[in-house]
Amino acid sequence: QVQLQESGPGLVKPSQTLSLTCTVSGGSISSGSYYWSWIRQPAGKGLEWIGRIYTSGSTNYNPSLKSRVTISVDTSKNQFSLKLSSVTAADTAVYYCAREDYDYVWGSYRWNYWGQGTLVTVSS
Amino acid sequence: QSALTQEASVSGTVGQKVTLSCTGNSNNIGSYAVGWYQQISHGAPKTVMFGNSLPSGIPDRFSGSKSGTTASLTISGLQPEDEADYYCSTWDYSLSAWVFGGGTKLTVL
Repeated sequence: QVQLQESGPGLVKPSQTLSLTCTVSGGSISSGSYYWSWIRQPAGKGLEWIGRIYTSGSTNYNPSLKSRVTISVDTSKNQFSLKLSSVTAADTAVYYCAREDYDYVWGSYRWNYWGQGTLVTVSS
Repeated sequence: QSALTQEASVSGTVGQKVTLSCTGNSNNIGSYAVGWYQQISHGAPKTVMFGNSLPSGIPDRFSGSKSGTTASLTISGLQPEDEADYYCSTWDYSLSAWVFGGGTKLTVL
């Protein structure tokens, strides 16, 4: 069974870079045709997609965050990572990582596995 | 403001049938299957429907449909454990991005 676990600092100072890692277990991050995504949720608000990286390394980012986001993959550690620069209090949220699997019935990707989420607070 | 529009809240009694809707446009819902995600007490989201396909382990009282640019999630025979926030999501090819609805809070009376 595939499992994803987010990790990283729970507190980041304004203007600094938020860095999170998602560790994948129960399967290789480099095998199969998967996208690996980051999604966040501010307290009391809805879900917001941040971006994703394909097994090959190609990326897509939310246009509203694109200038500040970098997602990368480390196949040797079976992990993928998120970096969000120049953070403000508005970036305070629970951050989730997730795996997208291709659905051959519908001809599109779908989220099949989610991490439990990690809270990141931006404060001085 | 979310790219997809959902009701802020829906309520129903145990055993009742309720339908949640999700409205988008031709760039997203009109072109791709819609996923529905259940979030209980701000825990991790769980996929309860994709298109009209039921993921393994999800009760068959959940069903999904789509007409044009509006998708629906129907729960037939509402149960207390169905009380949760429900989010819809799909790909938007004009944005090259996943988009979400603002979420519907389902209350079981």
